[in-house]
Amino acid sequence: DSGVTQTPKHLITATGQRVTLRCSPRSGDLSVYWYQQSLDQGLQFLIQYYNGEERAKGNILERFSAQQFPDLHSELNLSSLELGDSALYFCASSVVGDSYEQYFGPGTRLTVT
Amino acid sequence: GQQVMQIPQYQHVQEGEDFTTYCNSSTTLSNIQWYKQRPGGHPVFLIQLVKSGEVKKQKRLTFQFGEAKKNSSLHITATQTTDVGTYFCAGYSGGGADGLTFGKGTHLIIQP
Repeated sequence: DSGVTQTPKHLITATGQRVTLRCSPRSGDLSVYWYQQSLDQGLQFLIQYYNGEERAKGNILERFSAQQFPDLHSELNLSSLELGDSALYFCASSVVGDSYEQYFGPGTRLTVT
Repeated sequence: GQQVMQIPQYQHVQEGEDFTTYCNSSTTLSNIQWYKQRPGGHPVFLIQLVKSGEVKKQKRLTFQFGEAKKNSSLHITATQTTDVGTYFCAGYSGGGADGLTFGKGTHLIIQP
């Protein structure tokens, strides 16, 4: 158990819909990262938040957005969903920034039908 | 942007054989991290290498960071069935703007 929690574990929704994935980092960790993992693309970095502020941005689509709240939990919002958005979405946290090891949550499996 | 290439994509070995995965970055890295993901699981941090030419060992696992800090390798001696999974390298080039860049991973399949 990494100490990072993610909800829900599974999500099935239709194309065009909007979903919200939630992540609670390990106690004391200030940075939260979001990743998308699909079979053909590996682990893709989406976005990082540090202490409530956006810190780094990766291959995140404009239809996706995220935020980190004062209690440090984070939400990833995915809208206008397409079939290709079906993937595992991982949240990870670290003490501070990118040079520190990251602790991954169990992931949310999103299926878009 | 920064790219991290990892080879091979898949590796089949007999139990007891050695295994090596290689990681190459398009840019010089500040550090490189290695993660392991078991089937159906999430990535788990293994180690971080920071210094040029650094070599670190964890039991049967040996990690190396190249002199130019652009490549790295993970070598497992005498594989066991518990080593099954996908091994990812992840490079950080500093500056923070791009985050950690993961390689696509090497899937280790062990035949008993």
